[in-house]
Amino acid sequence: KNEVEQSPQNLTAQEGEFITINCSYSVGISALHWLQQHPGGGIVSLFMLSSGKKKHGRLIATINIQEKHSSLHITASHPRDSAVYICAVSKGAQKLVFGQGTRLTINP
Amino acid sequence: GAGVSQSPSNKVTEKGKDVELRCDPISGHTALYWYRQSLGQGLEFLIYFQGNSAPDKSGLPSDRFSAERTGGSVSTLTIQRTQQEDSAVYLCASILSGTGSNYGYTFGSGTRLTVV
Repeated sequence: KNEVEQSPQNLTAQEGEFITINCSYSVGISALHWLQQHPGGGIVSLFMLSSGKKKHGRLIATINIQEKHSSLHITASHPRDSAVYICAVSKGAQKLVFGQGTRLTINP
Repeated sequence: GAGVSQSPSNKVTEKGKDVELRCDPISGHTALYWYRQSLGQGLEFLIYFQGNSAPDKSGLPSDRFSAERTGGSVSTLTIQRTQQEDSAVYLCASILSGTGSNYGYTFGSGTRLTVV
């Protein structure tokens, strides 16, 4: 079993829908990261969080340390949100351990 | 610089040749990482530098791979006697250790290595 599990692996939705991507992890962590990778593009760090909730524009990330679970939400989704979203965990400044990613497609 | 800079952006090499990939992290970032992403695969940790500490080399797949970080800044990943299975995108990332920022790591655009 992977230390970081994401679901779903693939998600297709219509423009405007509310999107939720889930991440569960099995190890002790100091921080959880949500990353975004557009097709053929580089990786952008969306959030780093260790507790509670963070919001940036239409993106919201939450984490429940006790349940070892995090969610990434996208409100009012748009075709430009189509990308692979990757959950990763870290201990201090140690290496990231990655989930397998969720491929999100938003249709107009 | 403003971001993590990697060069070259693309590299095609013949099997058996050596290659050097360069990463110039954000000025002042104390931790630097190399990862790779093979076609259709997830991200794989290679090596990690933190300040003046000995690097964590636990992710290097074979002794053909090595990396160094000079002066706590620029890093070079060297692959000797390249094999076709080394073909991947090699990504560099840096972070200011202990940062309380929202965003954590900054990734470079990667070097796409193709071994023919």
